[in-house]
Amino acid sequence: DVVMTQSPLSLPVTLGQPASISCMSSQSLVHTDGYTYLHWFQQRPGQSPRRLLYKVSNRDSGVPDRFSGSGSGTDFTLKISRVEAEDVGTYYCFQGTQWPPSFGPGTKVDIK
Amino acid sequence: EVQLLESGGGLVQPGGSLRLSCAASGFTFSSHAMTWVRQAPGKGLEWVSSVSGSAETTYYADSVKGRFTISRDNSKNTLYVQMNSLRAEDTAVYFCVRGRVLPDYWGQGALVTVSS
Repeated sequence: DVVMTQSPLSLPVTLGQPASISCMSSQSLVHTDGYTYLHWFQQRPGQSPRRLLYKVSNRDSGVPDRFSGSGSGTDFTLKISRVEAEDVGTYYCFQGTQWPPSFGPGTKVDIK
Repeated sequence: EVQLLESGGGLVQPGGSLRLSCAASGFTFSSHAMTWVRQAPGKGLEWVSSVSGSAETTYYADSVKGRFTISRDNSKNTLYVQMNSLRAEDTAVYFCVRGRVLPDYWGQGALVTVSS
């Protein structure tokens, strides 16, 4: 099975400053169809998860452009250019390429 | 607007059974694979099971294989999961999610507590 790891697991950030979360997979996430099914989800406290980015770098509708994704193969990054108070929560990467699908352990973002 | 509404959660004794439902609206239900994801209290997300849009193909995590059965009724726009032989470690909020390799919309979740 693919093992997804994230770092850091806890990320205290200053409002207005950038933040970066790494997600690594134990196997390549490039599907035989050529796409990379690596997505990012945000879960605010007390809420259901919400997808932010799909297939590495595509922002979902309504997601602020301060969120961006990059990476390839086994190494991926979520970046927040300037953290706002509403960004507090836990961020999960998810892979749908390899069987079985799997989530990373989550990175908890809070304000210093 | 896509909406997913889970129901059927509750308290059940170890070894018992429970069936969750997820009523979908706002999209063509039969065109989308559907998935159950769970989250134990204070823990991360765990993929549980998926079913193709036609219901022909089902997928299960090893942790629930042989105990859980996913199904769907496309005439009712409803997703189900029948959970048997429940264990304490199955205690979690269960989310209904649209999609399988490209999950997008999530329901609000249904809490299942397995305890004597």
